[in-house]
Amino acid sequence: EAGVAQSPRYKIIEKRQSVAFWCNPISGHATLYWYQQILGQGPKLLIQFQNNGVVDDSQLPKDRFSAERLKGVDSTLKIQPAKLEDSAVYLCASSLVHTSSYNEQFFGPGTRLTVL
Amino acid sequence: AQTVTQSQPEMSVQEAETVTLSCTYDTSENNYYLFWYKQPPSRQMILVIRQEAYKQQNATENRFSVNFQKAAKSFSLKISDSQLGDTAMYFCAFRAAGNKLTFGGGTRVLVKP
Repeated sequence: EAGVAQSPRYKIIEKRQSVAFWCNPISGHATLYWYQQILGQGPKLLIQFQNNGVVDDSQLPKDRFSAERLKGVDSTLKIQPAKLEDSAVYLCASSLVHTSSYNEQFFGPGTRLTVL
Repeated sequence: AQTVTQSQPEMSVQEAETVTLSCTYDTSENNYYLFWYKQPPSRQMILVIRQEAYKQQNATENRFSVNFQKAAKSFSLKISDSQLGDTAMYFCAFRAAGNKLTFGGGTRVLVKP
């Protein structure tokens, strides 16, 4: 079974530029998550989708970050414009069903963003 | 809001020895899950072990076991017979309703030959 795919793996941009990350979850997984992991810290949830609807985006900086999952499968996370403090690894994860009592999340390899 | 605290930034252990990582959490929920995730250098995060809060028996997975103290809100991970491949960052995580994971800051484990 293929795992969670993410691209690109690395990205270097200058501040005020735009950047987009792509994630393809495990086939059949209805729930998709985007996390931000700043160096030396644990991952922080940015947004959670159930199919193509947003379940939780309370920690997403909506003035510069946006995410979509139009067909309920793959997802794109965008930052526009980027700031220095956005330098981090962006992790995508997926799980089978949002409302089941237990639901393992499977993580992708992440995209390492460096903002200069 | 839930918080997860890992007080040990880094631990080192000799190969074949045992190491214990600590984790405490704060919540007002009664039903929840606790997890330990492993993140090897430049590799993706994988689940090591999980514990349901309603179960009194501590979870074990091969060389990994937990000591879950619900009243103390403590959830430690013991790695027995440490192997070089255990070198990684280890994150404690909490999940209540909604499937949102809250992670601790991580503990770096270095297994020395």
